[in-house]
Amino acid sequence: KQEVTQIPAALSVPEGENLVLNCSFTDSAIYNLQWFRQDPGKGLTSLLLIQSSQREQTSGRLNASLDKSSGRSTLYIAASQPGDSATYLCAVIPFTGANSKLTFGKGITLSVRP
Amino acid sequence: NAGVTQTPKFQVLKTGQSMTLQCAQDMNHEYMSWYRQDPGMGLRLIHYSVGAGITDQGEVPNGYNVSRSTTEDFPLRLLSAAPSQTSVYFCASNKGLGTDTQYFGPGTRLTVL
Repeated sequence: KQEVTQIPAALSVPEGENLVLNCSFTDSAIYNLQWFRQDPGKGLTSLLLIQSSQREQTSGRLNASLDKSSGRSTLYIAASQPGDSATYLCAVIPFTGANSKLTFGKGITLSVRP
Repeated sequence: NAGVTQTPKFQVLKTGQSMTLQCAQDMNHEYMSWYRQDPGMGLRLIHYSVGAGITDQGEVPNGYNVSRSTTEDFPLRLLSAAPSQTSVYFCASNKGLGTDTQYFGPGTRLTVL
């Protein structure tokens, strides 16, 4: 059974720091990996999707990398801002499963201090 | 284009009551899913559908029923609510391609007393 781990559960940094959020998964047979953002009391918003054949994806100040062989992904946030404060979740889709069967990590709650 | 909509936003039930959580999408997505989110447990898949008339179970299907009569709608039914079903419920949809991201609704916060 696929397990997705995100450590630490919470992180507090001063504004302007570059930071890395980690995600690890136990089964490397994945179809893709996605990073989501969730604001308190809200739904999930997709940030980046990395297909299994890709190594990384970039969107603005965000860069996500994927190393299938080691079962790891990282989300890099450059020049963090207070508006980046939210919970960040990673999720994987199994290679043989339906495209709706995401397995989520429990998320990292990020607080960026002004 | 409203995306994925869910109703109601909040609901309080008594143990044993039944109700239906509504989910609709206007993006013509084939794939739709229901997740529940609990503190310390993360998001877990309840049921999913790969098209109208086709549904399947996820990780935690017990106590929930689904049906998919149209592409747009994917309601989740609680047959006899239990306190263990107190949670936040999210509906999601996507085109069904490996390159496609999932779109989530705003969630329904359910409390069962």
